[in-house]
Formats: sequence, C-alpha cells, structure tokens
Amino acid sequence: TQLLEQSPQFLSIQEGENLTVYCNSSSVFSSLQWYRQEPGEGPVLLVTVVTGGEVKKLKRLTFQFGDARKDSSLHITAAQPGDTGLYLCAVTSGTYKYIFGTGTRLKVLA
Amino acid sequence: EAGVAQSPRYKIIEKRQSVAFWCNPISGHATLYWYQQILGQGPKLLIQFQNNGVVDDSQLPKDRFSAERLKGVDSTLKIQPAKLEDSAVYLCASSLNPLAGDTQYFGPGTRLTVL
Repeated sequence: TQLLEQSPQFLSIQEGENLTVYCNSSSVFSSLQWYRQEPGEGPVLLVTVVTGGEVKKLKRLTFQFGDARKDSSLHITAAQPGDTGLYLCAVTSGTYKYIFGTGTRLKVLA
Repeated sequence: EAGVAQSPRYKIIEKRQSVAFWCNPISGHATLYWYQQILGQGPKLLIQFQNNGVVDDSQLPKDRFSAERLKGVDSTLKIQPAKLEDSAVYLCASSLNPLAGDTQYFGPGTRLTVL
C-alpha cells in the first residue's frame, strides 16, 4: 500500500491548457513538498506547504494543502512545454526520512 | 556553490556482477541519502546517513546492498551480486539540517541496467 497516491499517473495536454494533479493519503502530515524531475536529472524542490488550507503560488503554479493535512493539489495555469516532467509529492516521517509519492508524468505539447 | 556529484552516470552490468556508485554531497551537508528510483515510480529511500552514522536503513536489501560514508563526506553504495530487478536510477541527495527544515538537494543520479 502506497502512503502517498498521486493522480493522474500520466497527463498529456496542449500548450496553454490548465491542469491539476493530486497527492492523497489517509495519514496526516505536518508538511508536504512538491518536486519536479526532468529526464536525466534529480528531483528539484518546488515548494513546501505546512499549514492546513495553505495556498502557495509560484508563477503559474498554485499549490494547496488540504484542510486536514492529508492531501494536496498542484494546479498549473496555461501550461508550457517547459513544464514537462515528473511531478512528485513527498512527506517526512520519523527521523526526517522522505517518502515520495507515485508521481505524475506530465507532457505539454507545443 | 557546487551541487551533489554522482558517478558514474550510466552503468550496464550482467546479473550476479558487482557494482559501486559514488556520491559527493554539497560541502557542509551533514545528512546524505541514497534513493532507488525504478522507472515510472517515485524515489524510494534506501539509506540515510547523519555524518558518518546510519540513521535509517530499513529499506536497504542488506543481503546484497551496502553503503558507507566513512569520513562523513562522500559515500559509496555497492550492490553485490546484482539482480535484474536492481535496474533503476540511484539518486544521492544531501541536506544541511533536515530537522531545521532545510531542503534536500539531489544529484543527477546513476542509471543502472542489469542484463
């Protein structure tokens, strides 16, 4: 059983479209992180959310932490080909061990 | 500031052979992580070091995998003998102080193919 389930698993959209990806769990977390990973590289941290209901914006990306701190969403407005990549959510457990979700692979077509 | 360095970037071996990966973390980062990322999945933590001590190795297959960080700086991860299912990207990451909320930074990874 995965601690963090991400959906959808794959997403292919046209440039300019909007999209939302989700990270869900049955457990409560003190914080949650979103990463983007491009082919041949390691994941890069986009944002950390810590408060239930918190919304953070990073240019065209909007991140929300659920009120109960069990889930999170990432919304991209007007997607661009440069947004292509694997989007991962992660939480810390115990001794600041990171647990990653299953990932959403996004492809934005020009 | 230099990032996390890993080598080699790619490695192809036959099953039952041995392989070793090397990681040099960001200077001053006390915490070092090794992850295994199988194609299409998120990274899975194999082992976490704090300086030269192991903090968590609960998901490390200890019958075939070993890792060390002798001087609390760079680290090696070894697989002996390799199995087909070990084909994956092995990522190294480091963090200054995760308990203080510091970010972990990843290296580019080593892609291992076991034939």
